[in-house]
Amino acid sequence: GQSLEQPSEVTAVEGAIVQINCTYQTSGFYGLSWYQQHDGGAPTFLSYNALDGLEETGRFSSFLSRSDSYGYLLLQELQMKDSASYFCAVNSPGRRALTFGSGTRLQVQP
Amino acid sequence: GAGVSQTPSNKVTEKGKYVELRCDPISGHTALYWYRQSLGQGPEFLIYFQGTGAADDSGLPNDRFFAVRPEGSVSTLKIQRTERGDSAVYLCASSSGGRDGYTFGSGTRLTVV
Repeated sequence: GQSLEQPSEVTAVEGAIVQINCTYQTSGFYGLSWYQQHDGGAPTFLSYNALDGLEETGRFSSFLSRSDSYGYLLLQELQMKDSASYFCAVNSPGRRALTFGSGTRLQVQP
Repeated sequence: GAGVSQTPSNKVTEKGKYVELRCDPISGHTALYWYRQSLGQGPEFLIYFQGTGAADDSGLPNDRFFAVRPEGSVSTLKIQRTERGDSAVYLCASSSGGRDGYTFGSGTRLTVV
């Protein structure tokens, strides 16, 4: 089976940097994905890491350590619009469709 | 189409009734996924189609749930003898299989009363 752990809530202020961690257990591993979901909205794709290291896309970066079964999403220069839930997700040879974590609710305060 | 379209956006049904939820994926996306999401939880996998066939239906909770994709495009999720515990947002997603991730529809909010 597959399981993922991420913090349930994180609070930060506008302009700050926040890191959302994700640890996973899976039989086999293809990659770690991150999705953003605003209240009442659809999840939207942010990033995908298949190899160790940091991938940067604008204000958002995602990191993966395969040996530690760990990754994180880094959000810089936080804006109020970044208030949302963030989900990590994995896929593997045994389950090609994504398995999602339970999500981290980010509150950005002025 | 430009995005993934799901209809209806809201469905209220009585316990024991049959419902169908429709998903129209992005044109050309061969992979289609159904998930359901309860409040405060992550999307829970139900079924994955590659083309017309169900490549993985291990997430369907029981035999009341069934999904089809007869022509490799539009998919329908069918729920028989609905129960109050089936109330959730049902999300459909499609992908081209590359590194660009899934594109989700806005979901169907199903309420069983």
